[in-house]
Amino acid sequence: ETGVTQSPTHLIKTRGQQVTLRCSSQSGHNTVSWYQQALGQGPQFIFQYYREEENGRGNFPPRFSGLQFPNYSSELNVNALELDDSALYLCASSPNSGRNSEQYFGPGTRLTVT
Amino acid sequence: DAKTTQPPSMDCAEGRAANLPCNHSTISGNEYVYWYRQIHSQGPQYIIHGLKNNETNEMASLIITEDRKSSTLILPHATLRDTAVYYCIVSRPNFGNEKLTFGTGTRLTIIP
Repeated sequence: ETGVTQSPTHLIKTRGQQVTLRCSSQSGHNTVSWYQQALGQGPQFIFQYYREEENGRGNFPPRFSGLQFPNYSSELNVNALELDDSALYLCASSPNSGRNSEQYFGPGTRLTVT
Repeated sequence: DAKTTQPPSMDCAEGRAANLPCNHSTISGNEYVYWYRQIHSQGPQYIIHGLKNNETNEMASLIITEDRKSSTLILPHATLRDTAVYYCIVSRPNFGNEKLTFGTGTRLTIIP
């Protein structure tokens, strides 16, 4: 069984550019959540997709947007990049198989904005 | 969701039990305690969760006080591979759709 995968592993962008990060959820998982982790901090919830619909959003501006596809893979898009967007971006998937389904995290994409 | 308080760092000798405390004094009746850990350069990994009873799995034990205002994660025989940041999270269960609120966690270092 393949776990959660993310691409690319590392990315360097310039302030003002746009970026798309990708996440393939674990087989059978229909929920994907995205988190931003700044250096030395815990992950912060960005938003979540459940069966292709946004299912909750954290305190992030609209320039952070996402998609979930019929195969439950997902994209995170960030427009008008700012220096503070430099972080590790994590996605997590969940099978919704029980009331306390755990979330499975991918290895993350390290984004550097210069 | 209730907030949690954890010590920023702890050391533990290899082979000994590592006991990681967490305070969650504002936890509400329907909120569970979850523990995740993050090994350097990896995504967080689920460890265990509980409501009010003590729980044990192949990775760890979770002890929750009777008033549920604090808990302790126990790694019974710590190894070097247990060196990681450990996060205590309180959340209402939602079939895996929980929006997890991570704090800064406890950096556990296992000493050879």
